[in-house]
Amino acid sequence: EAQVTQNPRYLITVTGKKLTVTCSQNMNHEYMSWYRQDPGLGLRQIYYSMNVEVTDKGDVPEGYKVSRKEKRNFPLILESPSPNQTSLYFCASSPTPTLGQVTYEQYFGPGTRLTVT
Amino acid sequence: SQQGEEDPQALSIQEGENATMNCSYKTSINNLQWYRQNSGRGLVHLILIRSNEREKHSGRLRVTLDTSKKSSSLLITASRAADTASYFCAPSGNTPLVFGKGTRLSVIA
Repeated sequence: EAQVTQNPRYLITVTGKKLTVTCSQNMNHEYMSWYRQDPGLGLRQIYYSMNVEVTDKGDVPEGYKVSRKEKRNFPLILESPSPNQTSLYFCASSPTPTLGQVTYEQYFGPGTRLTVT
Repeated sequence: SQQGEEDPQALSIQEGENATMNCSYKTSINNLQWYRQNSGRGLVHLILIRSNEREKHSGRLRVTLDTSKKSSSLLITASRAADTASYFCAPSGNTPLVFGKGTRLSVIA
């Protein structure tokens, strides 16, 4: 089954304790992205990756890191989490949009609910 | 990045009625996509309309696009309780897809 998986689905942690949220897709998509969703703010893009070893900042990258060593995986790293990073996080993937051409639909993971105390 | 703005923010209707939500954007696009999100879950792609199309149908969904007004609408006909969700538009050019705050639709049985 074609899907995007995220782990863990729920996480409660303390300020400053490094954590990683994994994201994996089995559709051979080049493009992957991370979003956070907060009440009243909608979805905001954190980082995206057009292909292996290529990553770019989204709208809210501060406090996050990503890596793209393999096409299927795109982990989100919080080196020193803070309470303002408490949020619902989504990973998504799609075939790479060609500049000036049609953007393909994105496939979303089930979400990771993170609480930082 | 391009972002759509959905309107209204919230909409409550009776089962069987039609629901219309709108999306406005500011820059030129190649296409516009609509997504649905059930509470706390990942977004699900509903429909994509290209910039050279004016209307598109998929089941009970009808999407229109007016590039001169930089706006789109999503119509859900004969709504069901299961249509209760948030709906997001995503106008797309040659930059990464971004999402607005969505329209929260409640369909009352």
